Amino acid sequence: DIVMTQSPHSLAVSLGERATINCKSSQRISYSSTNRNYLTWYQQRPGQPPKVLIYWASTRQSGVPDRFRGSGSGTNFTLTISSLQAEDVAVYYCQQYHTTPYTFGQGTKLEIK
Amino acid sequence: QVQLVQSVGEVKKPGASVTVSCEASGFNFSNFGISWVRQAPGEGLEWMGWISPNNGHTVYAQKFKGRVTMTTDTSTNTAYMEVRSLRSADTAMYYCARDNWESGDFDFWGQGTLVTVSS
Repeated sequence: DIVMTQSPHSLAVSLGERATINCKSSQRISYSSTNRNYLTWYQQRPGQPPKVLIYWASTRQSGVPDRFRGSGSGTNFTLTISSLQAEDVAVYYCQQYHTTPYTFGQGTKLEIK
Repeated sequence: QVQLVQSVGEVKKPGASVTVSCEASGFNFSNFGISWVRQAPGEGLEWMGWISPNNGHTVYAQKFKGRVTMTTDTSTNTAYMEVRSLRSADTAMYYCARDNWESGDFDFWGQGTLVTVSS
């Protein structure tokens, strides 16, 4: 199975500041035929199901604010929130869609400092 | 609009079975997969498996093979997941999600069904 490792496990950032979450896969999660990295970022607010923020590592889902940015390729990926808002308090998960079983990172809890 | 509406929560005794349903609307049910994901209290997300409503093809995570069965009814646009031989470690929120192979993500999720296993 592909292991997804997120860091840090938790993060406290001041409002308006930048938040950065990292995700590393145990093997490459791209296909040369499509040149796409099958890495998705989800946001899960308390009591809610997860919501897609970013797919293909860097494509923002429709309706997601542009302060959310995904980057990376190969085995190393990053989610950046450029200016933290109060509504961004949540747990963030990365997931690989390259090979079944589709696996998630353990999650990063983001709080306001 | 796309919606996935799941059945209400259940309390089961160890050794029993539970079936969770997921009724889809707002899209062509046969054109997407349905994945099932569970989340134990205070824990992360765990993918359990996937089904294609188009042909009934399934892929299960190894740890659930033989204990979980996923099915669909295309006449009612409903997906089902049965978990047998329940144990306390199966206490979790169970989610269905639309599996979008074009974008490679689970782009819509049900509200979740809490299954509690307790004697």
